[in-house]
Amino acid sequence: EAQVTQNPRYLITVTGKKLTVTCSQNMNHEYMSWYRQDPGLGLRQIYYSMNVEVTDKGDVPEGYKVSRKEKRNFPLILESPSPNQTSLYFCASSVPDRKGYEQYFGPGTRLTVT
Amino acid sequence: GNSVTQMEGPVTLSEEAFLTINCTYTATGYPSLFWYVQYPGEGLQLLLKATKADDKGSNKGFEATYRKETTSFHLEKGSVQVSDSAVYFCAISSGSARQLTFGSGTQLTVLP
Repeated sequence: EAQVTQNPRYLITVTGKKLTVTCSQNMNHEYMSWYRQDPGLGLRQIYYSMNVEVTDKGDVPEGYKVSRKEKRNFPLILESPSPNQTSLYFCASSVPDRKGYEQYFGPGTRLTVT
Repeated sequence: GNSVTQMEGPVTLSEEAFLTINCTYTATGYPSLFWYVQYPGEGLQLLLKATKADDKGSNKGFEATYRKETTSFHLEKGSVQVSDSAVYFCAISSGSARQLTFGSGTQLTVLP
């Protein structure tokens, strides 16, 4: 089954404790992306990757890191989480055609930073 | 930069009522337009899309037409069902970065 998986689905942590949210897709997609969803703000892009070893900032990259060492994986790293990073996070991947591409979303990771 | 303005929610309708959710956008270039749906506890799923002016996207009884002159992509359904209860997001993309810009989302509740 074609899918995007994220782990963990739920995470409660404390300020300053490094964490990683994993994302994996089995569709051989070149493009992958991370979003955060906050009430009233919709989804905002954190980082994206056009291919292996190619990453770039989205609209809200501060406090986050990413890496793309393999095509299927795109982990999101919070080196020193803060309460304002409490949010619902989605990973997405996309087919490589030029226009009208569909992004496939993972089920989400709900992160609470206390 | 790109931006999307979406009708504020929440929207509550009775089953079989007509649905319209307004969406307007500003963008550089010639964007593609999307509606995504998020059912409770799930990730987003593509509902429909349109890639050029006057295109009509349709799926599951929902429709939206790409109106370049009014920069709009309003979502419509003639007769909603309880199972349509979800959050609906309008989104646009343009440029080579394939970045999606989302509206704030509209919560739809359909009552039996």
